[in-house]
Amino acid sequence: KNEVEQSPQNLTAQEGEFITINCSYSVGISALHWLQQHPGGGIVSLFMLSSGKKKHGRLIATINIQEKHSSLHITASHPRDSAVYICAVKHTGTASKLTFGTGTRLQVTL
Amino acid sequence: EAGVAQSPRYKIIEKRQSVAFWCNPISGHATLYWYQQILGQGPKLLIQFQNNGVVDDSQLPKDRFSAERLKGVDSTLKIQPAKLEDSAVYLCASSPLRLAGNTGELFFGEGSRLTVL
Repeated sequence: KNEVEQSPQNLTAQEGEFITINCSYSVGISALHWLQQHPGGGIVSLFMLSSGKKKHGRLIATINIQEKHSSLHITASHPRDSAVYICAVKHTGTASKLTFGTGTRLQVTL
Repeated sequence: EAGVAQSPRYKIIEKRQSVAFWCNPISGHATLYWYQQILGQGPKLLIQFQNNGVVDDSQLPKDRFSAERLKGVDSTLKIQPAKLEDSAVYLCASSPLRLAGNTGELFFGEGSRLTVL
């Protein structure tokens, strides 16, 4: 079993829909990152969370440390949101070791 | 602020040849990572440096891969000899060292796409 699991693996939505991507992890962490990767492009950090909730524009990220679970929400989705969204956890007890999920491929259509 | 710079962006080589990738992290970032991302998979850590010391290289195939970070700034990743399964994007990332909690933000380069024929 992977230390970081994401669901769904693939997601297709129509423009305007509310989207949720989930991330579960099995290790102790000091922080969790949500990353965005466009096709052929580099990776951009969206959020870094250690507790609670963060919001940036139409993106909201939440984390529940007790349940070892995080969600990324996109409100009023748009075709430009189409990308791979990756969850990465920073382990406790080691110097910044990161483990990545396999990503969720999101396609938003008109 | 300038981002993480990587070169080359693309490289095509034949198996058993060698290749080197270069990364220039954001100025002042103590931590530098090299990741391998095979098509359809999430990034896999190859090696992590803190300044010029290696923190984690447990997943680096040391028989063919090597990396160094001279003077704690730029880093090079070398593959020699390359195999077909090394075809991937090699990502470099850096983060600042936080004294409390070590939860530095991550910044990625554009990646170097390697094709081994």
